[in-house]
Amino acid sequence: AQTVTQSQPEMSVQEAETVTLSCTYDTSESDYYLFWYKQPPSRQMILVIRQEAYKQQNATENRFSVNFQKAAKSFSLKISDSQLGDAAMYFCAYRRRGNNNDMRFGAGTRLTVKP
Amino acid sequence: KAGVTQTPRYLIKTRGQQVTLSCSPISGHRSVSWYQQTPGQGLQFLFEYFSETQRNKGNFPGRFSGRQFSNSRSEMNVSTLELGDSALYLCASTTGGNSQETQYFGPGTRLLVL
Repeated sequence: AQTVTQSQPEMSVQEAETVTLSCTYDTSESDYYLFWYKQPPSRQMILVIRQEAYKQQNATENRFSVNFQKAAKSFSLKISDSQLGDAAMYFCAYRRRGNNNDMRFGAGTRLTVKP
Repeated sequence: KAGVTQTPRYLIKTRGQQVTLSCSPISGHRSVSWYQQTPGQGLQFLFEYFSETQRNKGNFPGRFSGRQFSNSRSEMNVSTLELGDSALYLCASTTGGNSQETQYFGPGTRLLVL
């Protein structure tokens, strides 16, 4: 079974600073997808960024980037120039390749942004 | 396009009752997945429906069931409610082609079982 671990229950960052959220996963598959989702107080899950395991290049989306280390099964999220609106729960998720939409989520990291 | 919608948004039930939650996917999406989110267990996959057929199933008891209609709208049903069923129930949709697609989530239904 695939498992996703987020070892940081809570993180805080000063506005305009950079923060990195950690995620590790366990799988015997070689082809899969990794995601970071954001869940603000409204509870709406919003996709932040995604990474295909077969791509060596790290994904980036504006201020958000990942450090994908396939051999180490590590998938961290870096948020640059943090903004107050970035405050939320962040979930790392895994999905294996194929006709399935069964995503496995980590326990989440609560990010606080201090003004 | 309108996003994923879920109804009702909030629900209060008592133990032993049953409940039905509804999810309307994004127009053109044929796959609907359901997740349960609780403080203790986090986000857990319930099941996925694609073209009116259950395609994947998580590790939940048979009290949890679902179905999908020809217009891709999906319902999930929980029978004989238990206190531990109190949770946020999220649904997500994709066109259903393959796992490359991003899942788009609805706002969730918050269920409280008393």
